Amino acid sequence: EVQLVESGGGLVQPGGSLRLSCAASGFRFNSYWMNWVRQAPGKGLEWVAYIKRDGTETNYVDSVKGRFRISRDNARNSLYLQMNSLRAEDTAVYYCATENGLARFDSWGQGILVTVSS
Amino acid sequence: QSVLTQPPSTSGTPGQKVTMSCSGSSSNIGTNYVCWYQQFPGTAPKLLIYRNNERPSGVPDRFSGSKSGTSASLAISGLRSEDEADYYCATWDDSLNGPVFGGGTELTVL
Repeated sequence: EVQLVESGGGLVQPGGSLRLSCAASGFRFNSYWMNWVRQAPGKGLEWVAYIKRDGTETNYVDSVKGRFRISRDNARNSLYLQMNSLRAEDTAVYYCATENGLARFDSWGQGILVTVSS
Repeated sequence: QSVLTQPPSTSGTPGQKVTMSCSGSSSNIGTNYVCWYQQFPGTAPKLLIYRNNERPSGVPDRFSGSKSGTSASLAISGLRSEDEADYYCATWDDSLNGPVFGGGTELTVL
């Protein structure tokens, strides 16, 4: 059974940093692109970042470029999102998701809440 | 402002067929497959349709997708109360080099 479990969320002040982790199990982790998708309270889904199978290529939504960094450790079946210079508008539930074809997110974690507030 | 445009809400009665739209452009829907996701409050989204009209195993055939030009549609036939949820379309955008989502359509079953 595919499992994705996010951790590392919480309350952080504006300008602060947070590192999210996603532990994967039940599938061949290194065979999939991985993504972070977020959802602000009461809002829709927004793709944040992707990383290809071997980690050699990444991309980000414009609003987080230069502040967020996605990475993966295929030996540990883990995905990460380092978030720096956090802003109030980064407040959201963050989901990790497998991508099995462009924009085809087959499996999702349960989500982790990140709140940026003073 | 989402790259893909969806009506914010729609409704139907049990047994009815409802259709919801997703409008994009030549750089996204016009050249790439469309996916649809179903999301209940407080839960993670679930893949409902991929490659415009394919259903993952376990998704009832009451759900169907279609695409024409730069628009796509999700149809739900034999509407049930448990279909009440938010529905999002998504596709790849060649200009942005990343996935894009619609703003979502909230389905109410009256």
